[in-house]
Amino acid sequence: GESVGLHLPTLSVQEGDNSIINCAYSNSASDYFIWYKQESGKGPQFIIDIRSNMDKRQGQRVTVLLNKTVKHLSLQIAATQPGDSAVYFCAENPSGAGSYQLTFGKGTKLSVIP
Amino acid sequence: EAGVAQSPRYKIIEKRQSVAFWCNPISGHATLYWYQQILGQGPKLLIQFQNNGVVDDSQLPKDRFSAERLKGVDSTLKIQPAKLEDSAVYLCASSLGGTQYFGPGTRLLVL
Repeated sequence: GESVGLHLPTLSVQEGDNSIINCAYSNSASDYFIWYKQESGKGPQFIIDIRSNMDKRQGQRVTVLLNKTVKHLSLQIAATQPGDSAVYFCAENPSGAGSYQLTFGKGTKLSVIP
Repeated sequence: EAGVAQSPRYKIIEKRQSVAFWCNPISGHATLYWYQQILGQGPKLLIQFQNNGVVDDSQLPKDRFSAERLKGVDSTLKIQPAKLEDSAVYLCASSLGGTQYFGPGTRLLVL
């Protein structure tokens, strides 16, 4: 079975609100995590990544939180915009440093209500 | 900087036919990946190349799928013969050893 999964398959938010997308992972050896955004008909687009020696990392309007104790990853999007509507995937590198192989979860569809 | 290029973007074939996909990674990226993404699911790794060598092909159905990266740059993924369950988006990604950058994918429909 897959080691990466998402709590919510769909998420609808009002434009301007903050969005939180959650992800659970099961492999304690994973040391690298990454969030991708995939719009319809396009390939996954890198959003933000985090290594296991960190618990928080911020980008432009996005923040990733890592809780290794409960094996949980979340993506926070501030002031959600219609252009944020997409499927969001979390992925982990279960092989440890070096190979950078990724195992993807099933994805969460984010719909932004104007 | 140009991104990962893939062609064709769409392909429709009948079962038992063969098909090939092409990928041109970001310039200088030594690592290249092929993924299969079935509708409604996350991408699943098929094969990983480091330059022109295979790092991992453990999830590649080798009875019908093959891939090569002869000169360590472009890569092709072939399916022969195709089955109905091969209908999916085939994604190519490349990296310098860290973040993977994806191409737009080839959408394959097997009838």
